[in-house]
Formats: sequence, C-alpha cells, structure tokens
Amino acid sequence: AQSVTQLGSHVSVSEGALVLLRCNYSSSVPPYLFWYVQYPNQGLQLLLKYTTGATLVKGINGFEAEFKKSETSFHLTKPSAHMSDAAEYFCAVSEGGGGNKLTFGTGTQLKVEL
Amino acid sequence: SAVISQKPSRDICQRGTSLTIQCQVDSQVTMMFWYRQQPGQSLTLIATANQGSEATYESGFVIDKFPISRPNLTFSTLTVSNMSPEDSSIYLCSVKSRGEYTEAFFGQGTRLTVV
Repeated sequence: AQSVTQLGSHVSVSEGALVLLRCNYSSSVPPYLFWYVQYPNQGLQLLLKYTTGATLVKGINGFEAEFKKSETSFHLTKPSAHMSDAAEYFCAVSEGGGGNKLTFGTGTQLKVEL
Repeated sequence: SAVISQKPSRDICQRGTSLTIQCQVDSQVTMMFWYRQQPGQSLTLIATANQGSEATYESGFVIDKFPISRPNLTFSTLTVSNMSPEDSSIYLCSVKSRGEYTEAFFGQGTRLTVV
C-alpha cells in the first residue's frame, strides 16, 4: 500500500521568500511522485512529476522538487514566492510501471503575504 | 494534455435525490477516474471508469451509491444516489493515457451541496 504525508496543512510565507512544502511517501515499489496545485474553485493542475532519471525535477511557475529515496521525501520548493502562488498544493504517489491509481496527501494551503 | 469538461460545475440538491455528473474529454483517453474531495480534505479515488464494462470501485465505495457509466473513450458519468448531507463534496473527473510516464489530468470539479 502507498501513502503520502504532507507536513503542515497551512504554510504562510512573505512575498519573495523561499517556499518549502514537505511531502513524504510510503510505497512498496519504486514510486512515481507528483505535485498538483489547486486554485480556488478550480480543478487540479500538474506542477511537476518524478518518474525515473534525474532526481531534481523542475516544473511550471518556477517550482522544483527533489526525490530523495533515502529520506522517502519529495519536497516542493520555489526560491521566491509570488502572490499568485497562493493556492492548495497536493503531493501524490502512484505505483511505478504504469500504475494508475493516485494516492494524495492531505494538502497544504499556501498563503503569501506582502 | 487533455481538456476536460465537467457538468454541472455546482449544484444544490435535496436529500434523497440523485445527481448525475458528466465528464467529457476532448480526446480519446485510456483511463478515466472519479475522485471525491470532501470539505477541507484531500482527494479520494471513488472508482475507475472502464469502457464497456462495470467500473472498478475502491474500498468503501459501492455501485449502488455511485453508479458509473462509460459508453466510449471520451465520456463518463457519475451518479450520486440517494444523497445525504454527508455526500456534500467536490467530485472530480480525471483522465490518463496509458503509458508508464503519463500523468493524470483533472476536470474543474462539481461542487455538490446536499441540503
């Protein structure tokens, strides 16, 4: 069975500050990992994904995440927060090899303050 | 990428009634899924919609409560039956192409309130 833990249901940062959203996973097989963002009253949009290869992946809007197998982590970062980054962020895991079921974390609400 | 259209975008329904949610994709996709997002919570997979056969339900979800149809590769419906206030949630359609490295795309969701 696979699971995802997102530490911190709410994170607040100042505009221009570093964004760090934490995600730890549990999977019995090599995982595929995803970060999705959900803006108010909208569906989920893929930010980035890790499947194989380079462990540091870059996504849209300046976000990146690093897969660390030894720490079972896939934390999301952005060097400089923008007001438009305020949204809810979900980390998700699926089993590798074409597995299709996504297991989501509980989400982190990011607030960006002036 | 895939463009997903969900209807209705929101609805307020009386308890005991049923609501059918439609999901239309702009291209043929292999996998279609239905998720539920309860207030303040994460997404939970309800079922995988299979074309031409019965949907595959996750633990805790049953066909009588959430009947699903998928008549072709671009369309699916989810019905929430005999609704109660506990069914108030956002219901999201998701699609994915077969392939090891493909990601899932999501519709904008249907915000359901049961009164």
